[in-house]
Amino acid sequence: DVKVTQSSRYLVKRTGEKVFLECVQDMDHENMFWYRQDPGLGLRLIYFSYDVKMKEKGDIPEGYSVSREKKERFSLILESASTNQTSMYLCASSFLAGGERAGDLYEQYFGPGTRLTVT
Amino acid sequence: SQQGEEDPQALSIQEGENATMNCSYKTSINNLQWYRQNSGRGLVHLILIRSNEREKHSGRLRVTLDTSKKSSSLLITASRAADTASYFCATNAGGTSYGKLTFGQGTILTVHP
Repeated sequence: DVKVTQSSRYLVKRTGEKVFLECVQDMDHENMFWYRQDPGLGLRLIYFSYDVKMKEKGDIPEGYSVSREKKERFSLILESASTNQTSMYLCASSFLAGGERAGDLYEQYFGPGTRLTVT
Repeated sequence: SQQGEEDPQALSIQEGENATMNCSYKTSINNLQWYRQNSGRGLVHLILIRSNEREKHSGRLRVTLDTSKKSSSLLITASRAADTASYFCATNAGGTSYGKLTFGQGTILTVHP
């Protein structure tokens, strides 16, 4: 089974702290994604990566950065946490279609989520 | 930007009844997917329908796609209390989108025993 793990289920940080959220997948997926989920707003894409050291901004990248040094690991960084970044953060991964596994059609596998509270 | 929009926002039914959720989207798609999220957890993929398909079944799930209306529906037949969850549609534009999905805001389904 595909497994996507996130470093913490619950996290409480103070305003101004630097926060690292880690995500690891074990399926050799090329794509990895970070979303935040807020009531009434659904899932919004923060950043994604389609290869090691490659990253693309999503819909709401402001206040966030990412790092992908290894294929299986994708980190989300809040440089200076603010209260409006209190949210549920979800990591996901998928194959990159176009290769031999193109039949996958981008089904995404999600981690359990990290509920971050910034006080 | 959110492309998919689900309707209704919330649905409450009795066990054994059918549940129908709808999703509308704005731009052309390569495929449309439905996901389920149990409270406080990550999303789980349920079913995918390609843009050239009109209907697909998986167990108690039936998905339809009408690309002319840019809409999809998810039907859960003979619902169970364990189906209580949020359901999201997500669209993939294909091409150079690198597998990005655009999610709707979700439908909260409550199935009463």
